[in-house]
Amino acid sequence: GAVVSQHPSWVICKSGTSVKIECRSLDFQATTMFWYRQFPKQSLMLMATSNEGSKATYEQGVEKDKFLINHASLTLSTLTVTSAHPEDSSFYICSAAQGLSGANVLTFGAGSRLTVL
Amino acid sequence: SQKIEQNSEALNIQEGKTATLTCNYTNYSPAYLQWYRQDPGRGPVFLLLIRENEKEKRKERLKVTFDTTLKQSLFHITASQPADSATYLCAPLESGGYQKVTFGTGTKLQVIP
Repeated sequence: GAVVSQHPSWVICKSGTSVKIECRSLDFQATTMFWYRQFPKQSLMLMATSNEGSKATYEQGVEKDKFLINHASLTLSTLTVTSAHPEDSSFYICSAAQGLSGANVLTFGAGSRLTVL
Repeated sequence: SQKIEQNSEALNIQEGKTATLTCNYTNYSPAYLQWYRQDPGRGPVFLLLIRENEKEKRKERLKVTFDTTLKQSLFHITASQPADSATYLCAPLESGGYQKVTFGTGTKLQVIP
């Protein structure tokens, strides 16, 4: 079945540093990838939609200069949290879309837990 | 604005019973509706997709219904098992080339042995 690999699974960094999270589709090509964040006991919040070869589409309230998304190939998307602060600490999850008769069915990575000190 | 609502309270049921989870949506005209399962600290896993012209879809012990008039989907797990304990998320999906997938609040199901 479809597999999405996400790295790192957890990261601790100092305030003011940048952190890059990678999301790879291992056995299929993903034209579209989605990035979500999730706070404890809350649902997934869509941050942005990433389309290969074009700029990401950010959801309202998500700072595009803060959360840089690059989707340079059909199997790799990256999320860089720039100048991270403690409030950016969260669980970040990527997903890759496969079209199923017109619908985007998502395969998710295992998630990356970011802790900013 | 668009809204997706699921039972906000956790659902506790006895093993062997049927669990029924509800997903209501507003300001959507979905062509599809998806259900996912999420275990703690993990990414969600796709379970089922139902199209707007389908009333019901089944997969093993799972059954999903989709009522576009009521703007509601029901998700049933029959003969529930403790291993079914997880959070279940619904995602209505509109038609179109670049569909974004947004999720409901999720319902936490606990199956008691």
